[in-house]
Amino acid sequence: GNSVTQMEGPVTLSEEAFLTINCTYTATGYPSLFWYVQYPGEGLQLLLKATKADDKGSNKGFEATYRKETTSFHLEKGSVQVSDSAVYFCALSDGGTSYGKLTFGQGTILTVHP
Amino acid sequence: KAGVTQTPRYLIKTRGQQVTLSCSPISGHRSVSWYQQTPGQGLQFLFEYFSETQRNKGNFPGRFSGRQFSNSRSEMNVSTLELGDSALYLCASSLQGVSQGNEQFFGPGTRLTVL
Repeated sequence: GNSVTQMEGPVTLSEEAFLTINCTYTATGYPSLFWYVQYPGEGLQLLLKATKADDKGSNKGFEATYRKETTSFHLEKGSVQVSDSAVYFCALSDGGTSYGKLTFGQGTILTVHP
Repeated sequence: KAGVTQTPRYLIKTRGQQVTLSCSPISGHRSVSWYQQTPGQGLQFLFEYFSETQRNKGNFPGRFSGRQFSNSRSEMNVSTLELGDSALYLCASSLQGVSQGNEQFFGPGTRLTVL
């Protein structure tokens, strides 16, 4: 079946540091890939997505590139802020019968200190 | 445009009881999905409804059930509650599902505590 593996956390950074959160996946066919973010006490919000190989999703300074050859979708940001502290989830939907199902990674807690 | 709303936000129940959670999707969205979020298991898919029909189901026991009404609002029910059912239950809606990369919008969740 489909699965998503995220780097183990938590991740603690100083403000303005470079961020990478690794995400690899296993899926049949051609999945769509997503990064969601969850702030304390809230539901998940879509951060960015990519629907085919070599696509780059970007939003709010975050970027991720869909790499089919390495089955990866790593999240990066050049300079993090305290307000980026949250839990980040990598997810996929397959192109066939996902319907309303997203398969999530285990989440990575990011804490940014001033 | 109003987001996904879930009621109630918090619930405390005892073992053996049953519970019903409610979700109102974004207007125009016909697909509603439910997820269970726990520290140990992360986010796990429960089921998805589209136009009142269940299209997909996760690996949960039959105690977990759901339904969708003609106005797309959805409910999920858990019968004979167990301590392990304590979790944040998230509802998410989308126009037609997440295939082809369509976005799914999440509600704030219902925090269920089973004592």
